[in-house]
Amino acid sequence: EPEVTQTPSHQVTQMGQEVILRCVPISNHLYFYWYRQILGQKVEFLVSFYNNEISEKSEIFDDQFSVERPDGSNFTLKIRSTKLEDSAMYFCATVAGGPRDEQFFGPGTRLTVL
Amino acid sequence: LAKTTQPISMDSYEGQEVNITCSHNNIATNDYITWYQQFPSQGPRFIIQGYKTKVTNEVASLFIPADRKSSTLSLPRVSLSDTAVYYCLVGLYNTDKLIFGTGTRLQVFP
Repeated sequence: EPEVTQTPSHQVTQMGQEVILRCVPISNHLYFYWYRQILGQKVEFLVSFYNNEISEKSEIFDDQFSVERPDGSNFTLKIRSTKLEDSAMYFCATVAGGPRDEQFFGPGTRLTVL
Repeated sequence: LAKTTQPISMDSYEGQEVNITCSHNNIATNDYITWYQQFPSQGPRFIIQGYKTKVTNEVASLFIPADRKSSTLSLPRVSLSDTAVYYCLVGLYNTDKLIFGTGTRLQVFP
């Protein structure tokens, strides 16, 4: 069964540093998402990406965040200057494109900001 | 987006059938009902989706009454590995952002 992969599985960084989280979507999927989940809390939507541009973003997704598909396959989330409160699990999800197609989630990257 | 309400937690024993009910009084005419499962430290996983009446797949069944203001996820003969958080989501397209609530934490005991 095809799956979404994410790297790294765990990232530890110092406050103020930049991090890049990577996702490899399922081949031929067209819609991409980033979600995050702070420990013990709900899964929260960050951003959706379609046709090489952001289609929607949440209030969480401020100027410190950016997304791109640098090589047409990887889908990345960059946090420019990490804060303590950015510590969370970050999940990438992808959808083939049909309105009833399910969202496939990756295993997540645990980001720890010290 | 329709707001959903589900029990915070449920306990069960191995081999029992578990029914988790979700209330969505403000569901729109074209909205679908989708359930996801999440194990600790893993991403959510799609379980089942339906619009009305009953839907069954290899994992679960979804019962939706005629007024569609609620739905029930039924897990037959649960095992320890079914211990997880189960989320009910209501929306039009799966290509839209998913809005997760707090879900129902199911604990299965031996």
